[in-house]
Amino acid sequence: DSGVTQTPKHLITATGQRVTLRCSPRSGDLSVYWYQQSLDQGLQFLIQYYNGEERAKGNILERFSAQQFPDLHSELNLSSLELGDSALYFCASSVSSGGQETQYFGPGTRLLVL
Amino acid sequence: EDQVTQSPEALRLQEGESSSLNCSYTVSGLRGLFWYRQDPGKGPEFLFTLYSAGEEKEKERLKATLTKKESFLHITAPKPEDSATYLCAVQDSWGSGYALNFGKGTSLLVTP
Repeated sequence: DSGVTQTPKHLITATGQRVTLRCSPRSGDLSVYWYQQSLDQGLQFLIQYYNGEERAKGNILERFSAQQFPDLHSELNLSSLELGDSALYFCASSVSSGGQETQYFGPGTRLLVL
Repeated sequence: EDQVTQSPEALRLQEGESSSLNCSYTVSGLRGLFWYRQDPGKGPEFLFTLYSAGEEKEKERLKATLTKKESFLHITAPKPEDSATYLCAVQDSWGSGYALNFGKGTSLLVTP
């Protein structure tokens, strides 16, 4: 158990809908990362938050957005869902020290768009 | 642009048959190279971080090594419970924060 929690574990929805995925980082970790894992693309970085502020963006679609709250939990919002958005979504949390950092991943949310 | 290529895509070993997985990478500047293990439907589990060429790290039957262009994950006398997908990722010192750029993984099956 990495200490990172994600809810829900599974989500089934229809095209055009909007969903929210939730992540609670390990105690004390200030950074939260979101990744998408699909069969053909592998694990792809979406976005990073650090202590409530957006720190870096990767291949995140404009239909997707995220935020990190004062208690450090984060939410990933996916809207106008398409079939191709079906994937596993992981969050990871980390703490940095001396320029070194390790990311610990949550169990993921499996999203199926029908 | 950073590139991470893992080979082979899939590997089948008999229990006790040692082998190595390869991770070739191209980055502007390497901040760190990471190995993770992922079981089906689960989140990646951290194994090792390597920071500079020549560095080696070990954990049970696994040993990770790093050169300037590639990393190897050596598996000595594997057991069926070592079956999983092994992911390699790099952190680029010039890239987006500390985001990880992953390879597509090597799927390892160890048979009794």
